[in-house]
Order: sequence, then C-alpha cells, then structure tokens
Amino acid sequence: NAGVMQNPRHLVRRRGQEARLRCSPMKGHSHVYWYRQLPEEGLKFMVYLQKENIIDESGMPKERFSAEFPKEGPSILRIQQVVRGDSAAYFCASSARETGAADTQYFGPGTRLTVL
Amino acid sequence: GDSVTQMEGPVTLSEEAFLTINCTYTATGYPSLFWYVQYPGEGLQLLLKATKADDKGSNKGFEATYRKETTSFHLEKGSVQVSDSAVYFCALSGGNQFYFGTGTSLTVIP
Repeated sequence: NAGVMQNPRHLVRRRGQEARLRCSPMKGHSHVYWYRQLPEEGLKFMVYLQKENIIDESGMPKERFSAEFPKEGPSILRIQQVVRGDSAAYFCASSARETGAADTQYFGPGTRLTVL
Repeated sequence: GDSVTQMEGPVTLSEEAFLTINCTYTATGYPSLFWYVQYPGEGLQLLLKATKADDKGSNKGFEATYRKETTSFHLEKGSVQVSDSAVYFCALSGGNQFYFGTGTSLTVIP
C-alpha cells in the first residue's frame, strides 16, 4: 500500500519563476493537507482540500500561492513569482476522515524548494 | 487558539539512557494527540497517538499518556538506541489542521 507520494523531492527555482509541487494521497484518502516547514521550525498549516474543493486555506499567504485537488490527478501547490523567503520544505499529508476510523494525517517525504 | 509547546533541544543522550521529551498543549474541545518522528531529509512518520484522556499511545518502545489534568503528552522511552536519533514533533488535531510543536532534536551517542 503506497504511502503519500510527493514530487519532485527537490526543486530549484530562480526568483520570479513558478514552482509546482505535486502530492498524491494514500489510496483511499480524499483529504489532503499542505504544510510548510522553515529551517529549524515546526510545520505550519497552509491549506486543506478535498476533491475539487478548498475547505480551509487560512494558512495560505494571500498572494502568489494557490492549491488545487482536481477530480483526477494529484493535488498541486503552486507558487508564482517565487522569492528567496519561499525556500522551505513543503509537506503534504492525507487522511481518511470520512471513514471515521482516524483523523491521523499521514505525511509524504516532502519537496525541498530552494530559490536562488 | 490551539497550540503545542514542546521541550526545546537539542537533547544528547548516551545509548540505553532514559528519554523524556515534554509536550504541553492548549486546545478547545478534546483533540487527539500525536508524536511524529522525522529522520534527516525525510518526511514525518507517525510514532504514536492517543485520542482521549488517559489513553496511552505506544510504539517501538516509546510511549506517551494523554493527561487532561496537566494538558500534557510527554514522550518517554526507557532505553534509547543510536537509531532513535531524529527530530520528534508533538502535535494535536484541531479542526481542519494539525498544530505542531517546534520539534526536539535527539542525538544518541554510543
């Protein structure tokens, strides 16, 4: 049973470029969460999505950041016009909340974004 | 709002020593509590969880008890190994997100 998949694992962008981070949840999970981890810090919530819906984006920066989880395919976190401060590890997690079995979130290996 | 306060590190222990990493929380309602472990360059792995007061989560020799009266969820292990060297995160589930502590780095030396 494959876990949460994220790609790419490492991404290098120059200032002003766009970054696209992908996340495929665990099989049977339809709830996806994105977190950002800055160096030496814990994870900070960004956004919570279900298929085709953004449920909670209270942690997303108001500009340049967007997220989607289409009916088919992975969830995408998109960062436009990246700046050096966007350099961080971005983690995706998934859960199967609708089953009632667990609110446990299972994490992917992360995408480490470096902005030059 | 909900939050987690975690013992600051780094922590360095000799192999077979006893480990405690303190975690306290603030929450409305009755959240589930978690410990995650992160090895260098990797994502977070669920270590253990507890879903209600007085529950004890345990895994791989680690354990933590959900204490509502002290709002704590301290992580313990009786005898650490070099392979336990990692960063440990305490977390609580609150609404649509998890709230994480800042992490405690553990290094176990032979």
